[in-house]
Amino acid sequence: NAGVMQNPRHLVRRRGQEARLRCSPMKGHSHVYWYRQLPEEGLKFMVYLQKENIIDESGMPKERFSAEFPKEGPSILRIQQVVRGDSAAYFCASSPGGGPEAFFGQGTRLTVV
Amino acid sequence: AQSVAQPEDQVNVAEGNPLTVKCTYSVSGNPYLFWYVQYPNRGLQFLLKYITGDNLVKGSYGFEAEFNKSQTSFHLKKPSALVSDSALYFCAVRQPSNDYKLSFGAGTTVTVRA
Repeated sequence: NAGVMQNPRHLVRRRGQEARLRCSPMKGHSHVYWYRQLPEEGLKFMVYLQKENIIDESGMPKERFSAEFPKEGPSILRIQQVVRGDSAAYFCASSPGGGPEAFFGQGTRLTVV
Repeated sequence: AQSVAQPEDQVNVAEGNPLTVKCTYSVSGNPYLFWYVQYPNRGLQFLLKYITGDNLVKGSYGFEAEFNKSQTSFHLKKPSALVSDSALYFCAVRQPSNDYKLSFGAGTTVTVRA
């Protein structure tokens, strides 16, 4: 059973471009969470999704950021018009339901130049 | 609101010595507590969790943690540290009631010297 898969592992974007980060949850998991890790900080919750539904996006910046988890395919975190401050590691986690434990992917390290 | 504090940014120990990484939490009700480890340029790896039951929890790679409700602490311990334990360690808490968010501490960098 493969773990949570994130791609790409590393992503470089110029200021103003769009970044798309993908997350495939573990098999059988229908809950996906995105976290952001800024340099020398802990992980901060961004958004919680279930299939075709955004449950909680209270940790998402109000502008330029969006997330989806379609019926088919991976969850996507999309950042439009990236700025240098968006440079961070973005982690995806999944869980089978409301259980206590979430499994994390390897993360995508976004660098904005 | 829930929160986690890791009071030490860095912990340095000699190989073979005991290792302790401190964590205190603040949460309403009974918490779910977790420890994760992050090696350089790698993702988060789960070490152990406390949900209920015995206060002493054993996890991966010889680590254990003790849940202390009166002190609201969940310190991570290893009796004999290895150089390969050098990494960034995160404590996290989650409320079991309708909250699914993990709140992470800022992390503690552990360096084990040979």
